[in-house]
Amino acid sequence: DPKIIQKPKYLVAVTGSEKILICEQYLGHNAMYWYRQSAKKPLEFMFSYSYQKLMDNQTASSRFQPQSSKKNHLDLQITALKPDDSATYFCASSQDATEVFFGKGTRLTVV
Amino acid sequence: QQQVRQSPQSLTVWEGETAILNCSYENSAFDYFPWYQQFPGEGPALLISILSVSDKKEDGRFTIFFNKREKKLSLHIADSQPGDSATYFCAASWGSSGSWQLIFGSGTQLTVMP
Repeated sequence: DPKIIQKPKYLVAVTGSEKILICEQYLGHNAMYWYRQSAKKPLEFMFSYSYQKLMDNQTASSRFQPQSSKKNHLDLQITALKPDDSATYFCASSQDATEVFFGKGTRLTVV
Repeated sequence: QQQVRQSPQSLTVWEGETAILNCSYENSAFDYFPWYQQFPGEGPALLISILSVSDKKEDGRFTIFFNKREKKLSLHIADSQPGDSATYFCAASWGSSGSWQLIFGSGTQLTVMP
């Protein structure tokens, strides 16, 4: 059974629209993350949360907003979507700052 | 700038051979180095990791060799199997400082021929 659930697996969006990527983890971890992987760049850190508190933000654009409604949830809202946002977005979690485990990803295509 | 570099970009070995994947880094403050394995359509899976206080870490067929002075490490996969064909990512962070981000290399695509 997957312990980090990401929904949806695939997502197609129109330029300028808004989407929310869902992530839930059932590993009992206190930290959650978002990473992005595209053909042009290696896996890229975006955000980290610990106990629902933002710890680090390496995303330059405010169009990307994480949302944590519960300790084991960390959704990612993306507004004003652009074709350059097309990538696979991975949610991850860990207990403290090491041993990071990744979900299967949401592949986003912006047309 | 690329803080973590991997080579080669792609590697082909025969079944039973040892595959050697290389990684180097720039920031001497990095002290935690995990390796991830990724199959197409899947997320990266933690394979093995090492702290900078060690120079070697073994787990079954997988061994990390670490050279702190040269800021280099390598992943050796002994007795390579076709099922090991995947992309391997080296990553680094300030793990002991409670850093919250992993810096990834661009990966090595490994193909093991039967």
